Amino acid sequence: DGGITQSPKYLFRKEGQNVTLSCEQNLNHDAMYWYRQDPGQGLRLIYYSQIVNDFQKGDIAEGYSVSREKKESFPLTVTSAQKNPTAFYLCASSPSSGGTYEQYFGPGTRLTVT
Amino acid sequence: SQQGEEDPQALSIQEGENATMNCSYKTSINNLQWYRQNSGRGLVHLILIRSNEREKHSGRLRVTLDTSKKSSSLLITASRAADTASYFCATDARNTDKLIFGTGTRLQVFP
Repeated sequence: DGGITQSPKYLFRKEGQNVTLSCEQNLNHDAMYWYRQDPGQGLRLIYYSQIVNDFQKGDIAEGYSVSREKKESFPLTVTSAQKNPTAFYLCASSPSSGGTYEQYFGPGTRLTVT
Repeated sequence: SQQGEEDPQALSIQEGENATMNCSYKTSINNLQWYRQNSGRGLVHLILIRSNEREKHSGRLRVTLDTSKKSSSLLITASRAADTASYFCATDARNTDKLIFGTGTRLQVFP
């Protein structure tokens, strides 16, 4: 059963704590992405990775960090420096980067920080 | 940066009617994609149209692209209650390797 998994579905944290969101894919895709979605809004790109051991900042990278040590995995850490971390986080992958390829999305993680 | 803007923001129709959503963008593109998102879920790819294509069909979906006006439309024919979702366009500005998503149209189809 191929696809992208994100865990957990819901995550609650206290302000000032770092939290790591998991994203795993078994589609053998080179490119992976993290997006943030706020209520009633579109998706904003946080980070993306075109290949293992490489990643680039998206439009709203401040307060976030990522790693890409394995092709299948692209975890996102929301640090205490992120001023407004409560949001819905979506991970996606595609065979390669660029608009020629459709992106496959995970089910998302809803993070609430109080 | 927001490349695509969908119009209308929200649309309510009865089952069996057609639904049309529009997307406008700012810079030249190579490709435009449409995605669907059910409430609280991830996005699902619907259709991709290249900059040299004017129209594309997939089942009950029809997408048009007018590069001179920098706009695209998504038509869902004979809508069903199960089509209730948010629909997003996504564009790849030339010389970039990212997709930029619009703000979405929320479609409600009443049975």
